[in-house]
Amino acid sequence: DGGITQSPKYLFRKEGQNVTLSCEQNLNHDAMYWYRQDPGQGLRLIYYSQIVNDFQKGDIAEGYSVSREKKESFPLTVTSAQKNPTAFYLCASSIGHGTGELFFGEGSRLTVL
Amino acid sequence: KNQVEQSPQSLIILEGKNCTLQCNYTVSPFSNLRWYKQDTGRGPVSLTIMTFSENTKSNGRYTATLDADTKQSSLHITASQLSDSASYICVVSGSNSGYALNFGKGTSLLVTP
Repeated sequence: DGGITQSPKYLFRKEGQNVTLSCEQNLNHDAMYWYRQDPGQGLRLIYYSQIVNDFQKGDIAEGYSVSREKKESFPLTVTSAQKNPTAFYLCASSIGHGTGELFFGEGSRLTVL
Repeated sequence: KNQVEQSPQSLIILEGKNCTLQCNYTVSPFSNLRWYKQDTGRGPVSLTIMTFSENTKSNGRYTATLDADTKQSSLHITASQLSDSASYICVVSGSNSGYALNFGKGTSLLVTP
């Protein structure tokens, strides 16, 4: 079945360590997104990519990095520079940037100890 | 700043009852409005997408309305079921905002037996 797969579902890391969250889609979508969700807040955009080898910063990109070497994959690295990394991270994709329905993955919950 | 406000913040209803969730927005110019259902610890799933010309859209027991003049939308749930317990998120896109989807904080619905 087509969809978006995020891994891992749960991740624990020590403060100061970089972590990479995986996001893979087989929907043949050009656009992919990373959002952060905190309790009581709306989703906030971290990074988005309209096409392979291109990506743009969202509203809260500081302390995060991404790559888009393949159409299907859009991994997110949470670096040690991110001051408060504990959160629920959601990857999403759509046919085109800003158009079409947005499909979400199941999320990755990162806890920094 | 474009904003999306949802009310109530949380709601508890008895199984079988109806309920209505509200979404007010200031995004302008308007492109579309989406309602998502998010189960705890899962990714959001699309319920409806409404454009400027659509006043009502249904998806099973879910009916969304849109008044673009007053910038208000509602999501009506009929004959609620225990599985309706979730967070319902309103998302508004502006026609000149490019990638920007404006997320509400969500309404947390609990359906009790």
